[in-house]
Amino acid sequence: GESVGLHLPTLSVQEGDNSIINCAYSNSASDYFIWYKQESGKGPQFIIDIRSNMDKRQGQRVTVLLNKTVKHLSLQIAATQPGDSAVYFCAENMNYGGSQGNLIFGKGTKLSVKP
Amino acid sequence: DAGVIQSPRHEVTEMGQEVTLRCRPISGHNSLFWYRQTMMRGLELLIYFNNNVPIDDSGMPEDRFSAKMPNASFSTLKIQPSEPRDSAVYFCASSYGGLSYEQYFGPGTRLTVT
Repeated sequence: GESVGLHLPTLSVQEGDNSIINCAYSNSASDYFIWYKQESGKGPQFIIDIRSNMDKRQGQRVTVLLNKTVKHLSLQIAATQPGDSAVYFCAENMNYGGSQGNLIFGKGTKLSVKP
Repeated sequence: DAGVIQSPRHEVTEMGQEVTLRCRPISGHNSLFWYRQTMMRGLELLIYFNNNVPIDDSGMPEDRFSAKMPNASFSTLKIQPSEPRDSAVYFCASSYGGLSYEQYFGPGTRLTVT
């Protein structure tokens, strides 16, 4: 297996606190963004998405904010729970609604929730 | 629904051997994606199909990799010959349409090439 690899940024929060996970995307032409959660030993799981014509979208306990000026995306998790512990990935695509495009994933941030 | 099904879950093989990974997408989904995940490179899109037709294979590392989707309910990713640097977790995902829709990932196949 891999003995040398990326050290993921880690965010450690207390149970019940709010978490904010940040992501800088690369392409100003990207028009669709998505957050995935990956628990250890499992495949990524969809959390929330947002189109470039929006700057905020809310789901259940999660909010995604998009700042196109600085190409920044953030995921806010309210009242963080131990079950939220996972690696979180942002991804960008340049062709919303089309069949073409290039979905690019970020390297991920590890969220650790302390009970 | 059982979700996206991948097999095998784990594969250990020797360098030079052929490896075939299998995927069954969620019924009714018309797009299927193959990803590779490593610690060094993160999650990479290898290829995706729309209505069983390969749309973009620019992520396929080299000619040793090939993917097929003979029908809407089955896809394979083949590596021939395999090399140690192919060791990774390979995910299959499916969605109702294209890259910009929610994708449902399978549990992955952990491949180790010795």
